[in-house]
Amino acid sequence: QKEVEQNSGPLSVPEGAIASLNCTYSDRGSQSFFWYRQYSGKSPELIMSIYSNGDKEDGRFTAQLNKASQYVSLLIRDSQPSDSATYLCAVSDSGAGSYQLTFGKGTKLSVIP
Amino acid sequence: NAGVTQTPKFQVLKTGQSMTLQCAQDMNHNSMYWYRQDPGMGLRLIYYSASEGTTDKGEVPNGYNVSRLNKREFSLRLESAAPSQTSVYFCASSTGGNQPQHFGDGTRLSIL
Repeated sequence: QKEVEQNSGPLSVPEGAIASLNCTYSDRGSQSFFWYRQYSGKSPELIMSIYSNGDKEDGRFTAQLNKASQYVSLLIRDSQPSDSATYLCAVSDSGAGSYQLTFGKGTKLSVIP
Repeated sequence: NAGVTQTPKFQVLKTGQSMTLQCAQDMNHNSMYWYRQDPGMGLRLIYYSASEGTTDKGEVPNGYNVSRLNKREFSLRLESAAPSQTSVYFCASSTGGNQPQHFGDGTRLSIL
């Protein structure tokens, strides 16, 4: 059973601080990694994709991937109250022709004004 | 720019009733997916269609059937609804392979 683990939170950070969200996965052959943001009562929204080791930056968001440690993280700089949401980590299944993602249960982030 | 469209948005059923959830995407994506999301359980894959003409079971397929009607449309059918199927159902699509999935707004289904 492939697993994606996230701390459920809630993670509370003050406005303007850096929020750090972490995710570990069990499938060593996974090649693609995604972060989704889900506001309460809404659908998941893709915010970051990362495919190779290292950092990938997009605005206030930075995704970090370490395949050797099977670890992926998301940093949110200058956190805003509008960033308050649940963040889902998703990892692609390995294997030829695999089309599935395994999702973590999400980390709830609360940004305090 | 519609993306992934799900209908209906809300539905209340009685135990034993049947219904079909509809999903359509206008992004020319090859792959489509049905998930359910329950509190504390995360997103769980019910069925997926890697390409037009194919369907495969996911993690929780029991009690559901699917039809990939054409490249745009992928429906989910509950033949005899049970209270355990009360959930939020999301349809998603992607270009395929290890590419990200894009989600519809969801259907909130309650079964009494």
